[in-house]
Amino acid sequence: QKEVEQNSGPLSVPEGAIASLNCTYSDRGSQSFFWYRQYSGKSPELIMFIYSNGDKEDGRFTAQLNKASQYVSLLIRDSQPSDSATYLCAVGLNNDMRFGAGTRLTVKP
Amino acid sequence: DADVTQTPRNRITKTGKRIMLECSQTKGHDRMYWYRQDPGLGLRLIYYSFDVKDINKGEISDGYSVSRQAQAKFSLSLESAIPNQTALYFCATSESTGTGFYNEQFFGPGTRLTVL
Repeated sequence: QKEVEQNSGPLSVPEGAIASLNCTYSDRGSQSFFWYRQYSGKSPELIMFIYSNGDKEDGRFTAQLNKASQYVSLLIRDSQPSDSATYLCAVGLNNDMRFGAGTRLTVKP
Repeated sequence: DADVTQTPRNRITKTGKRIMLECSQTKGHDRMYWYRQDPGLGLRLIYYSFDVKDINKGEISDGYSVSRQAQAKFSLSLESAIPNQTALYFCATSESTGTGFYNEQFFGPGTRLTVL
């Protein structure tokens, strides 16, 4: 079982819709959770981080963490074509960081 | 100027050659990381360093070695390159934080390595 799992997609949504990205992790001791966005050929850049159970909102982005169920999600409201990218879930695990394989999101105009 | 730089940006080499990838940062961060990225596998941690005197193996360290020459410099070496080490390599940095917690990682632009 992979330690951090994401649906590889591709996930396609129309412009203006809500995109929902999900991630599950295997280690209950994990304490730090991140969502990175990676455009093709570019390096990852941070979108959101969350440490506590519940929701955290930043503009059009909301991260949701449920430690009991071991999942973290990212909602993108009013999706734009510029949101088309691969989204990487990362989990702080013991002394290192583990990334999921990423979900490719396409927002169609 | 970029905060995290990697050299070279692209490299083609042959099986058995020794290769060094270099990373420099001006962010003043203590923690530095080396990852490789392969299609469908995401980012996998090779080595990480929490300060100049601290080096730790990551998920996939076999066939790699590292050197932390200074707070700002962290090099990755492939002693004898093989074709399945063909990948995109990223260096990253982050601030230190409390035990068990992590701060945002800042990534360099990546090095595309091809081993023939």
